[in-house]
Amino acid sequence: EVQLVESGGGLVRRGGSLRLACTTSGFTFSRYWMNWVRQAPGKGLEWVANIKEDGSEINYVDSVKGRFTIFRDNAKNSMYLQMSSLRAEDTAVYYCVRAWGAAAGIFGYWGQGTLVTVSS
Amino acid sequence: IVLTQSPATLSLSPGERATLSCRASQSVHNYLAWYQQIPGQAPRLLIYDTSYRAAGIPVRFSGSGSGTDYTLTISSLEPEDFAVYYCQQRSSWPGLTFGGGTKVEIK
Repeated sequence: EVQLVESGGGLVRRGGSLRLACTTSGFTFSRYWMNWVRQAPGKGLEWVANIKEDGSEINYVDSVKGRFTIFRDNAKNSMYLQMSSLRAEDTAVYYCVRAWGAAAGIFGYWGQGTLVTVSS
Repeated sequence: IVLTQSPATLSLSPGERATLSCRASQSVHNYLAWYQQIPGQAPRLLIYDTSYRAAGIPVRFSGSGSGTDYTLTISSLEPEDFAVYYCQQRSSWPGLTFGGGTKVEIK
């Protein structure tokens, strides 16, 4: 069974930093693109970033470029999101998402999410 | 690419047919997926590449469309289908975008 468990969310001040982690099991982690998708309270979904199987390709939504860094450790079956210069608009539930098969842009499996709250 | 979903809310009774629309600002070349989100839960992949059901998804869910216009149809609503539905495109890789969602509520 595919499992994705996020951790590291919490309350942080505007301008602060936070690192999210996603630990996985039930599949061969190193064979899949991985994503972070977020959802602000009461709002819709927004793709944040993704990373190729071997970490050689990384993409970000424009609003987080230069502030967020996605990376992975295939030996630990884990993915991370380092967030800095946090803004109020970064407040959201952050989901760890595995690609659907070889299709990097399809969000196949989702974790339960971790809430990040940026206070002013 | 901007995805516009309509209607924002759909009020139907169990057993009725639901038709949800997703319109793209330019062609997404059938690279269109649908997700279901039940309140308090993570989203779940229903349909990918316009019309392919994900594993375990009931046959009452179907997708269709082409170019800029896509549709998710639920042939006969079950109680567990009342949720929010999102469309998402991957045509403009690496820019991946979602629609604003359609809430299907019990009438």
